[in-house]
Amino acid sequence: KQEVTQIPAALSVPEGENLVLNCSFTDSAIYNLQWFRQDPGKGLTSLLLIQSSQREQTSGRLNASLDKSSGRSTLYIAASQPGDSATYLCALSTSGYSTLTFGKGTMLLVSP
Amino acid sequence: DAGVIQSPRHEVTEMGQEVTLRCKPISGHDYLFWYRQTMMRGLELLIYFNNNVPIDDSGMPEDRFSAKMPNASFSTLKIQPSEPRDSAVYFCASSALSTGGKSGYTFGSGTRLTVV
Repeated sequence: KQEVTQIPAALSVPEGENLVLNCSFTDSAIYNLQWFRQDPGKGLTSLLLIQSSQREQTSGRLNASLDKSSGRSTLYIAASQPGDSATYLCALSTSGYSTLTFGKGTMLLVSP
Repeated sequence: DAGVIQSPRHEVTEMGQEVTLRCKPISGHDYLFWYRQTMMRGLELLIYFNNNVPIDDSGMPEDRFSAKMPNASFSTLKIQPSEPRDSAVYFCASSALSTGGKSGYTFGSGTRLTVV
């Protein structure tokens, strides 16, 4: 059974710092991996989607990487801002027709 | 597209009452998923549909939970009777996995259920 772990569970940084959020998974036979952002009391917003054949995806200040062989993905946030404060969730599927398995998320707080 | 639409946004009900949560997926998406989120367990899949047919309901906690998808644009999740431990945020998501999953999942804003 696929297990997804996100470390750290919580992270607090001052504004302007570059930071890395980690996601590890136990089964390397994944189909794709998706990073989501969740604001308090809100739904999930998709940030980046990486197909299994890809090594990374970029959107603005965000860069997500995927290393299937080591069972890891990272989300890099450059020049963090207070508006980046949210919970970041990693989720993956093991086939094009399977459901997403989620990690429990990293709660990020960026202080002005 | 307005995205995945869920209603109500908040629901407070008394133990023993029936609760119905509603979801309208994105037009053209052929997969629909119901997830539940709690602090203790995170996001858990309850059930999912493909072309309106339930595929896997192994995540439904007990017989008090039921889900239907009468057509491609509407799904319901019903809890009868409700219990305090059902209190959680319930999310609906849809995807066009038949295209190879390349579009990923889109989530609704969720329904926050409180059973008192």
